Amino acid sequence: QVQFQESGPGLVKPSQTLSLTCTVSDASISSGDYYWNWIRQPAGKGLEWIGRIHTSGSTEYNPSLRSRLTISVDASKNQFSLNLSSVTAADTAVYYCARAYIGSWRYGMGVWGQGTTVIVSS
Amino acid sequence: DIQMTQSPSSVSASVGDRVTITCRASQDIGRWLVWYQQKPGKAPNRLIFEASGLEGGVPSRFIGSGSGTAFSLTISSLQPEDFATYYCQQADSFPLTFGGGTKVEI
Repeated sequence: QVQFQESGPGLVKPSQTLSLTCTVSDASISSGDYYWNWIRQPAGKGLEWIGRIHTSGSTEYNPSLRSRLTISVDASKNQFSLNLSSVTAADTAVYYCARAYIGSWRYGMGVWGQGTTVIVSS
Repeated sequence: DIQMTQSPSSVSASVGDRVTITCRASQDIGRWLVWYQQKPGKAPNRLIFEASGLEGGVPSRFIGSGSGTAFSLTISSLQPEDFATYYCQQADSFPLTFGGGTKVEI
């Protein structure tokens, strides 16, 4: 069964870059069958879609984050990554990776990672 | 951006109750509406896609309906494992956006 594991620093200083990786197990990112998404959730609050990438490199970003955001894929490592620059306390959240089938991406995200907590603080 | 508004933000109910959660979109999204369930400390879990399509393995007591701008999720007979927070998400256009959530409490 496919699994995702988010990883990265749990603590990031303000103005620095937040970097997270999602490692995919028991499925190949190279298949091209899915969009790979990032979503975040501040503690006690709702969900915010950050953006997505396809193995081809095509991306969609949330305009509210676009100027600070880069999502990339490394098929050789079966991973995709998120880089968010110039972070502030408002970027403190649980960050999830998730996938949506390319043929039915409008059906939402069917598989999610467990999430990783990132705190922005000096 | 399309704004998704859920109501109520929380609801208190008992086992066996029928519970309905509503989700309103700020513009017509057709039937591109997804419902998720999230339990504390866990990732969301997709329940319903395309407004009324039941995800495999999800009990039939979860019923989605609606189109355009008005949608609802009904739990026909609440079970102990259903106490959770529910989110709607529009999949009509970017950026994908979620409702604020509805917490179903005992």
